Amino acid sequence: DAGVTQSPTHLIKTRGQQVTLRCSPKSGHDTVSWYQQALGQGPQFIFQYYEEEERQRGNFPDRFSGHQFPNYSSELNVNALLLGDSALYLCASSPWSYNSPLHFGNGTRLTVT
Amino acid sequence: AQTVTQSQPEMSVQEAETVTLSCTYDTSESDYYLFWYKQPPSRQMILVIRQEAYKQQNATENRFSVNFQKAAKSFSLKISDSQLGDAAMYFCAYRSGVTQGGSEKLVFGKGTKLTVNP
Repeated sequence: DAGVTQSPTHLIKTRGQQVTLRCSPKSGHDTVSWYQQALGQGPQFIFQYYEEEERQRGNFPDRFSGHQFPNYSSELNVNALLLGDSALYLCASSPWSYNSPLHFGNGTRLTVT
Repeated sequence: AQTVTQSQPEMSVQEAETVTLSCTYDTSESDYYLFWYKQPPSRQMILVIRQEAYKQQNATENRFSVNFQKAAKSFSLKISDSQLGDAAMYFCAYRSGVTQGGSEKLVFGKGTKLTVNP
């Protein structure tokens, strides 16, 4: 049973570019959340998707957007990259039911130069 | 807004010994959940232990146990019989129990780096 898978594992982009990160949830999970973890910090919630809609959003600018597909996989898009967007981006999945624990992927390390 | 504070950036312990990691949190809610996650170099967040605020009994998972002091808003993690594989970043996290459905977001502390010495 595959867990949460993320791609790519590492990515290097230039300031001003756009990037797309991908996540496949654990089998049986229909809800995907994204977190940003800057170096030396704890993860920060970006947003959550369920039924192809954004259900919750953290304190991130509109440059951060997402999408969920009918197979529950998800993408995180970041436009107009800034140096400060360099971070580990973690995807977590869960069933859409109250009090379900999150299962995390190994993350995508994004470096903006 | 809820906040989680981990005041120990780094801790070390000898193999087979016991170590306690500290965490405090701030919230005005009465219904919530607290977690300890482990993040090894593989980067994957692994759930270590979870505590429901309405439960007075401290959670225990094998060598891992918590000391939950609700009035003091304190939630420490005790690791007994430390093993080399316990070396990792440990994050304390808070989740609101008030939800209209789905899994509420986690609010994380900054983490504590645990080193286990042989």
